[in-house]
Amino acid sequence: GAVVSQHPSRVICKSGTSVKIECRSLDFQATTMFWYRQFPKQSLMLMATSNEGSKATYEQGVEKDKFLINHASLTLSTLTVTSAHPEDSSFYICSAQGVNEKLFFGSGTQLSVL
Amino acid sequence: RKEVEQDPGPFNVPEGATVAFNCTYSNSASQSFFWYRQDCRKEPKLLMSVYSSGNEDGRFTAQLNRASQYISLLIRDSKLSDSATYLCVVGGKLIFGQGTELSVKP
Repeated sequence: GAVVSQHPSRVICKSGTSVKIECRSLDFQATTMFWYRQFPKQSLMLMATSNEGSKATYEQGVEKDKFLINHASLTLSTLTVTSAHPEDSSFYICSAQGVNEKLFFGSGTQLSVL
Repeated sequence: RKEVEQDPGPFNVPEGATVAFNCTYSNSASQSFFWYRQDCRKEPKLLMSVYSSGNEDGRFTAQLNRASQYISLLIRDSKLSDSATYLCVVGGKLIFGQGTELSVKP
């Protein structure tokens, strides 16, 4: 089946630093990728929709200047958490949309900001 | 009303039990529906798509009721390995429900 690779799987960083997370579709081309955030015991919250070659569409309440998304190719989307703070600590997951709207997920990135 | 709402959990059932989850959605124009399974701190994995006519995959049966705007997932003969959080997903914006936690006990 389709594979989506996400890394790093875990990041621990100091407050104020920026963190980049990569999401790659390994065996298919994904014009659309999604970025989610998940806090403990809660569901996935869609942060933004990333479209290849165009600006990402952010959900209400998500700061576009804080969470920079780049989807420069059909197989790679990146999320950069700029000037991370402890409240940004969360589990971030990407997904790529395949045929028939099925979503294939990366394995997630656990971000801990000290 | 939330766009997608699931049965609150957790569901604690013994091995071999049959358990059903419901998920309601607010957008009557939605066309695609899925059930995903998520293990703790892991990515969600597609369990099954939900078709208008209903579909079955082994011990799992998914159904769609457009009139009442809900989808359901039935798990028969529960196994310990079925313990997870089950997420319903409604397209086209692929909105996730909050998840229903299932714990199967020996």
